[in-house]
Amino acid sequence: QQQVRQSPQSLTVWEGETAILNCSYEDSTFDYFPWYRLFPGESPALLIAIRPVSNKKEDGRFTIFFNKREKKLSLHITDSQPGDSATYFCAATPNTGNYKYVFGAGTRLKVIA
Amino acid sequence: DAGVTQTPRHEVAEKGQTIILKCEPVSGHNDLFWYRQTKIQGLELLSYFRSKSLMEDGGAFKDRFKAEMLNSSFSTLKIQPTEPKDSAVYLCASSRDWGAEQYFGPGTRLTVL
Repeated sequence: QQQVRQSPQSLTVWEGETAILNCSYEDSTFDYFPWYRLFPGESPALLIAIRPVSNKKEDGRFTIFFNKREKKLSLHITDSQPGDSATYFCAATPNTGNYKYVFGAGTRLKVIA
Repeated sequence: DAGVTQTPRHEVAEKGQTIILKCEPVSGHNDLFWYRQTKIQGLELLSYFRSKSLMEDGGAFKDRFKAEMLNSSFSTLKIQPTEPKDSAVYLCASSRDWGAEQYFGPGTRLTVL
């Protein structure tokens, strides 16, 4: 049973469009949500992260929108570039001393020029 | 600074064999994680060490998977006995502290025949 769910499983957008990657979770104790990006042949690397004290976190073309009530968040990539093609993982951890670090199954993004 | 190193990069094993994967975390990092990466499940946490102490042993992975950290700069993941369903990429990651950015190694691609 996935505690962190991501959708869609794969996504294809044209260059310049906004890609929207969705993530939802079940455990209300989760309070830190990092997104990791995995390029083919490389290792996952932290892209951007958010804590529930805010409902939006922006870093250049990447923005996380967070809805604590619905336990949902989304990663928006504006002006998508072919170089953004990768797998994006949403993760969640609690701040209760319960050492869970849960990743979603990932969304494979392809940006077509 | 050296990142996380993992050896071997590729491993092919026969069903029933014992294999040992190795990881060296980033120097000075207190936390070390072992993950299994598959297309269906994404990243699954196998083990988590804090300052060499095992904090999370992966629940469902307990019976055939054993991670150890004999010193702060070296960890192993033993799979015994291997099964074909264990075929996956095994990633090691380290971070300064809980909730800090995780730095991933290049992974070990395991194929069990």
